[in-house]
Amino acid sequence: QSVLAQPPSASGTPGQRITISCSGSTSNIGRNFVFWYQQLPGTAPKLLIYRNDQRPSGVPDRFSGSKSGTSASLAISGLRSEDEADYYCATWDDDLRGDVFGSGTSLTVL
Amino acid sequence: QMQLVQSGAEVKKPGSSVKVSCQASGDIFSGDAISWVRQAPGQGLEWMGSFIPLFGSSNYAQRFQDRVTFTADKSTNTGYMELSSLTSDDTAVYYCARRRNYGDFASWGQGTLVTVSP
Repeated sequence: QSVLAQPPSASGTPGQRITISCSGSTSNIGRNFVFWYQQLPGTAPKLLIYRNDQRPSGVPDRFSGSKSGTSASLAISGLRSEDEADYYCATWDDDLRGDVFGSGTSLTVL
Repeated sequence: QMQLVQSGAEVKKPGSSVKVSCQASGDIFSGDAISWVRQAPGQGLEWMGSFIPLFGSSNYAQRFQDRVTFTADKSTNTGYMELSSLTSDDTAVYYCARRRNYGDFASWGQGTLVTVSP
């Protein structure tokens, strides 16, 4: 059972905008940066968003992150078929004194 | 961007140990951490712990505390994760990742499949 809750699945059609939520608590999201990872089928995860809303070089600006209180969100606009992947949020947990991942959201592009 | 290359797949017997390596293209003794994350078949990502080679310090996730050890070799810029007392529940893909001071996992290895089977 993950300390960060994500919806197990999400879906959208090409061109649409979707959001994926990540819900935590004051000991994790409430006090620390949130990161998002994309895992394409059969591959290693890839950093998508760091420090809540920053994109690494090479990540399209269709991907954006935000944080408010003890929750965070990943938004994907102009949805494309290649966005079909699993998405994970992550952060540090002060009580557990370790990194924690969300339960993951599987995105389907219809 | 640092590249991480992991050792190949392993098949182990229950009760045995496995040691996975993670060779970096850059200096892992710069102050960043090497973290280990595993993913059981069809499951999500699970953080196992992190190791800062520069200080030789480790931070293990509670559930692995008693049976995981992280080490590193400066001469080859390679990190290692050894997991002992294996059970079938340890069957998973094990990833190493470079953890920056921001707290993010900026680079990932390709993953190493460890299968525990009688």
